[in-house]
Amino acid sequence: EDQVTQSPEALRLQEGESSSLNCSYTVSGLRGLFWYRQDPGKGPEFLFTLYSAGEEKEKERLKATLTKKESFLHITAPKPEDSATYLCAVQAESGGSNYKLTFGKGTLLTVNP
Amino acid sequence: AAGVIQSPRHLIKEKRETATLKCYPIPRHDTVYWYQQGPGQDPQFLISFYEKMQSDKGSIPDRFSAQQFSDYHSELNMSSLELGDSALYFCASSLEAGQGSGEQYFGPGTRLTVT
Repeated sequence: EDQVTQSPEALRLQEGESSSLNCSYTVSGLRGLFWYRQDPGKGPEFLFTLYSAGEEKEKERLKATLTKKESFLHITAPKPEDSATYLCAVQAESGGSNYKLTFGKGTLLTVNP
Repeated sequence: AAGVIQSPRHLIKEKRETATLKCYPIPRHDTVYWYQQGPGQDPQFLISFYEKMQSDKGSIPDRFSAQQFSDYHSELNMSSLELGDSALYFCASSLEAGQGSGEQYFGPGTRLTVT
């Protein structure tokens, strides 16, 4: 069974204080690892897809990296508007068209001004 | 850019009633996924459709059914509602994974409250 574990559950940062969120995973053949941002009561917003170990992607203050066992979401000089829950999800190689996402429980990030 | 549309955005039902949630995928996306997110929980996969055929099934109760229509929109039908069905229901769409990156784009969700 695919499993995704995110840590920490919650993280408080001061504006400008860089940090990293962790996502460790167990999957029977990784097709892709996805990062989403979710604001309260809203749908997850797509951020990144990573497909193979060593891959990195960046978007503004966010950078996602991937190894064979885990992924990190690095946040550089965060701003209060970066406050949200960050969700990690995996998609397994299973053939056909059934590429469901298995999510972790998320990291609630709060950035104080 | 066009996004996934879900309706209604909010729905209040009583126990044992029936509810229908609708999802309109991003244009040209042929795959639709339904997820349920309880309070403080991560989204849980319910069911998916590719080209109007059910492609995968997760932890969806037998009281729920879904289908995808010829215009690719999808409906989730929920009967004999229970208090525990209260949750956010998200629809996501993507291109069939073999044709695209497999990225799923989520709608704003339908908040279902069962009283």
